[in-house]
Amino acid sequence: GAVVSQHPSRVICKSGTSVKIECRSLDFQATTMFWYRQFPKQSLMLMATSNEGSKATYEQGVEKDKFLINHASLTLSTLTVTSAHPEDSSFYICSARDGGTAETQYFGPGTRLLVL
Amino acid sequence: GQNIDQPTEMTATEGAIVQINCTYQTSGFNGLFWYQQHAGEAPTFLSYNVLDGLEEKGRFSSFLSRSKGYSYLLLKELQMKDSASYLCAVLDSNYQLIWGAGTKLIIKP
Repeated sequence: GAVVSQHPSRVICKSGTSVKIECRSLDFQATTMFWYRQFPKQSLMLMATSNEGSKATYEQGVEKDKFLINHASLTLSTLTVTSAHPEDSSFYICSARDGGTAETQYFGPGTRLLVL
Repeated sequence: GQNIDQPTEMTATEGAIVQINCTYQTSGFNGLFWYQQHAGEAPTFLSYNVLDGLEEKGRFSSFLSRSKGYSYLLLKELQMKDSASYLCAVLDSNYQLIWGAGTKLIIKP
């Protein structure tokens, strides 16, 4: 149980385009999902907390107009990187919290974004 | 401020035992997690401790002392596939997960 999927796993795009990443909890309902970014050889950095049916809470320094988050259902959250630039190239990972199992966060497999 | 400390890198031998320590100073405490992350992959959940003591799960065990702000992850009978980064994370009073920088574990034959 507690499987989280993420799509796409890898994306290459041109500078200035927008990229949407989907995160789904497959076998549980996730009222809260989290979006992380990880640069090579660095620790996870929380970007935002996504609550179903309400606006996401962004961490300091993360531009909410650039990283659009939508959590329309209990099993789906999306992150859209708008007008992507090469410095946005990173490993984006979502996680979902199964409130019924001790606040544990389960991670999706991640999306590797390369902006040319 | 909130702080999680763990060693940057450790080396151990296949078949041996290794203990990865984690100390924390956070605003409140609602549990401590250990995750394993292989290079290029997302973290996978290993353990969750909220009460003092040792939790054993196969070759992996996790220990917590809340009074000391201390935890360790113990890996027994090390295998080459255990080479990975091990992340310690604490759930604070706001149920925010505070992450350590991770310990890169290198297993040698």
